[in-house]
Amino acid sequence: AQSVTQLDSQVPVFEEAPVELRCNYSSSVSVYLFWYVQYPNQGLQLLLKYLSGSTLVESINGFEAEFNKSQTSFHLRKPSVHISDTAEYFCAVSETGGYQKVTFGTGTKLQVIP
Amino acid sequence: EAEVAQSPRYKITEKSQAVAFWCDPISGHATLYWYRQILGQGPELLVQFQDESVVDDSQLPKDRFSAERLKGVDSTLKIQPAELGDSAMYLCASSFSGTANTEAFFGQGTRLTVV
Repeated sequence: AQSVTQLDSQVPVFEEAPVELRCNYSSSVSVYLFWYVQYPNQGLQLLLKYLSGSTLVESINGFEAEFNKSQTSFHLRKPSVHISDTAEYFCAVSETGGYQKVTFGTGTKLQVIP
Repeated sequence: EAEVAQSPRYKITEKSQAVAFWCDPISGHATLYWYRQILGQGPELLVQFQDESVVDDSQLPKDRFSAERLKGVDSTLKIQPAELGDSAMYLCASSFSGTANTEAFFGQGTRLTVV
């Protein structure tokens, strides 16, 4: 069975400061990793994903995440946050092969302070 | 831009009543998912369809929940009878093929409150 741990339930950060949202996963097989973002009263949107190849993946709005197999981590980072980044972020894992069965973490609320 | 449509957006129902949610996936998407998201938690998969067939309903409380996708397009999730613990956001998602590396697109969800 696979699982995802997001230790930080809330992360307050000042505007233009850097941020890191932590994600650790557990699985006995190879995995794909995802970060989703959820704005208030909205569904989830895929932010970025790691499938294979380069361990550093980037989104179009400046976020990046690095897959670290030895530490079983997939932390999300942004060098300078904006007010519009205020949202809840979910890390998710899916075993490779077969039908997708995604397991989500409990989420981290990012609050950007003006 | 194509999107997953869900209705209603909000639903308040009394305990022991029946309630139903509707989802229309992106056109051409073979895979449809229903997730439940309890406040403060991540989404949990309830049921996954590939076309009209259920491929995973291991977490669906089958004594009170049912889901169908009769023509392999839109889908309905029903709860009967509703319990207080069913209060949550119900999210529908769809993907082109449902394989592990395929992106799933989510609807805006239905927020259910059971009183």
